[in-house]
Amino acid sequence: AQSVTQPDIHITVSEGASLELRCNYSYGATPYLFWYVQSPGQGLQLLLKYFSGDTLVQGIKGFEAEFKRSQSSFNLRKPSVHWSDAAEYFCAVGPTDSWGKLQFGAGTQVVVTP
Amino acid sequence: NAGVTQTPKFQVLKTGQSMTLQCAQDMNHNSMYWYRQDPGMGLRLIYYSASEGTTDKGEVPNGYNVSRLNKREFSLRLESAAPSQTSVYFCASERKKYQETQYFGPGTRLLVL
Repeated sequence: AQSVTQPDIHITVSEGASLELRCNYSYGATPYLFWYVQSPGQGLQLLLKYFSGDTLVQGIKGFEAEFKRSQSSFNLRKPSVHWSDAAEYFCAVGPTDSWGKLQFGAGTQVVVTP
Repeated sequence: NAGVTQTPKFQVLKTGQSMTLQCAQDMNHNSMYWYRQDPGMGLRLIYYSASEGTTDKGEVPNGYNVSRLNKREFSLRLESAAPSQTSVYFCASERKKYQETQYFGPGTRLLVL
């Protein structure tokens, strides 16, 4: 069965510290991979996506993610967090071989402390 | 260019009442989606429409119906609301037939008493 796992429900990080959010997936083949961010009371905004090619993907707001096929992972990183990065982050996967539907992880809530 | 808009922003219903959630996009996208978001469960797909005139069930379609009124609009209807349908509902749209980038609306918070 296909699944997306975000092992960390909640992460607290100090402003200026680095951040890494984990995402693991179980899929029949290499899927398309996405990270979305949701600020309080808002819809989801795409941070970055991986379709093919370079396994290190750069996104908006200083985020990057690395696709590791051997580990079925797509972890999101930011070297230095800002207070405005406090939000909920969702990893999502979708099929590459046909039109399909995104499957989302349960999300990781990030709290940034001064 | 407003992107994806949803109405209403917030709604309270009594069990058994019906309502329609509206979604519109002005990006000339082909595909549209309805998701529900519940704590600890991420987003789950209710229904989707690959193109104007077509709709298909997603992961959790029971208790819902949809209409793709035209290319811009995709509505979600609850015929007889139940407390289990208390959730935040998101509409999204996507340009092409194959996976690209989905753009999300701001959401509708629904409370069913």
